[in-house]
Amino acid sequence: GAVVSQHPSRVICKSGTSVKIECRSLDFQATTMFWYRQFPKQSLMLMATSNEGSKATYEQGVEKDKFLINHASLTLSTLTVTSAHPEDSSFYICSARETGGGAVDTQYFGPGTRLTVL
Amino acid sequence: AQSVAQPEDQVNVAEGNPLTVKCTYSVSGNPYLFWYVQYPNRGLQFLLKYITGDNLVKGSYGFEAEFNKSQTSFHLKKPSALVSDSALYFCAVGGPTGGFKTIFGAGTRLFVKA
Repeated sequence: GAVVSQHPSRVICKSGTSVKIECRSLDFQATTMFWYRQFPKQSLMLMATSNEGSKATYEQGVEKDKFLINHASLTLSTLTVTSAHPEDSSFYICSARETGGGAVDTQYFGPGTRLTVL
Repeated sequence: AQSVAQPEDQVNVAEGNPLTVKCTYSVSGNPYLFWYVQYPNRGLQFLLKYITGDNLVKGSYGFEAEFNKSQTSFHLKKPSALVSDSALYFCAVGGPTGGFKTIFGAGTRLFVKA
């Protein structure tokens, strides 16, 4: 099946620094990618929808200036957590929706990135 | 607005017994329904989906789910549970009505005891 990778898998940073997380679709093109956040023992919360070549659409309550999303190509979307604070510590998961043909209605999820802000 | 509910935080079952993880949904239009499984500190793995067609959907690892329109349910089932099935299971709803955004239920933790 389709594979989505995330890098890094784990990152620890100091408060006030920025962290970039990459999400790549390895064997298919993804016009749309999604970014989720998951707190311990909780469900996934959709943060934003990332569309290739256009601005991301953020869910209500998500600060777009804090969580910068760039979808520069059909296989790469990045999430940058700017000026990170301890409350930003979480598990961030991306997903990619396959473009055209095949299972366009299925999202494939990355393995997640564990962010810890000290 | 689309929503999905998983009424059970946890389901316990003995190995070899059948298991059911419940899910109900609320959507306008035809629902696209999904089940995913998550192992500790891992992303989500796709199990199965219902878009249209046969109400009984078969998926990975011997799991299946039944779409019931009148009860707006999409319960996940397996005839014989394995210890290795112990994980966190998410029901989700998505599709073109919501711009293909996927909304997840709260998750149900499944414990299969040997």
